Amino acid sequence: DTEVTQTPKHLVMGMTNKKSLKCEQHMGHRAMYWYKQKAKKPPELMFVYSYEKLSINESVPSRFSPECPNSSLLNLHLHALQPEDSALYLCASSQGRVGRYPPGETQYFGPGTRLLVL
Amino acid sequence: AQKITQTQPGMFVQEKEAVTLDCTYDTSDPSYGLFWYKQPSSGEMIFLIYQGSYDQQNATEGRYSLNFQKARKSANLVISASQLGDSAMYFCAMREGFKAAGNKLTFGGGTRVLVKP
Repeated sequence: DTEVTQTPKHLVMGMTNKKSLKCEQHMGHRAMYWYKQKAKKPPELMFVYSYEKLSINESVPSRFSPECPNSSLLNLHLHALQPEDSALYLCASSQGRVGRYPPGETQYFGPGTRLLVL
Repeated sequence: AQKITQTQPGMFVQEKEAVTLDCTYDTSDPSYGLFWYKQPSSGEMIFLIYQGSYDQQNATEGRYSLNFQKARKSANLVISASQLGDSAMYFCAMREGFKAAGNKLTFGGGTRVLVKP
């Protein structure tokens, strides 16, 4: 079972709202990722968690705040977003391991949340 | 310089025919992995196939095969017997070396495939 789930599927929010995106996996993976994808572009990495610790932040604005409550869950808290933040937000997970990852570490993606900021 | 290049922004293919999607990459690391993902209009990125730089044989997964030419730094995806459900965006991606936690995938720009009945 290589399922990663994301909720909600669609989200519309105003620039003053606070919302959260949720991601869950039950594959026993220990690395989880947030990506942002604009239309007709490849995904762009935002954050990586490894063993529930933030290991990579790709210089993402502070209006995006990730959280990893446990090894199965990953949240992305949104606050004071801008219209240009409208995009597909993808969550992914991979096996993860202590130390260095081999190049064959495969990431499995969820269906994404389509976010529209008005 | 782009590390992953997909030169075909879009292509049509007739149902039941084979199609080849091009991918070239650039790395100086001797150890790397190459991945292909499919993204239908629904948005989910679906993992298709993986090729490691030290793998002796080309990877195959059902109707998907990877034509890996290491000297030319190309990793083309071949889809045999195309089906209408193959219509999607296809991304080639690379992961370099043995990296610390969370080394990121580098994606190409993608190729949109439309299968005609």
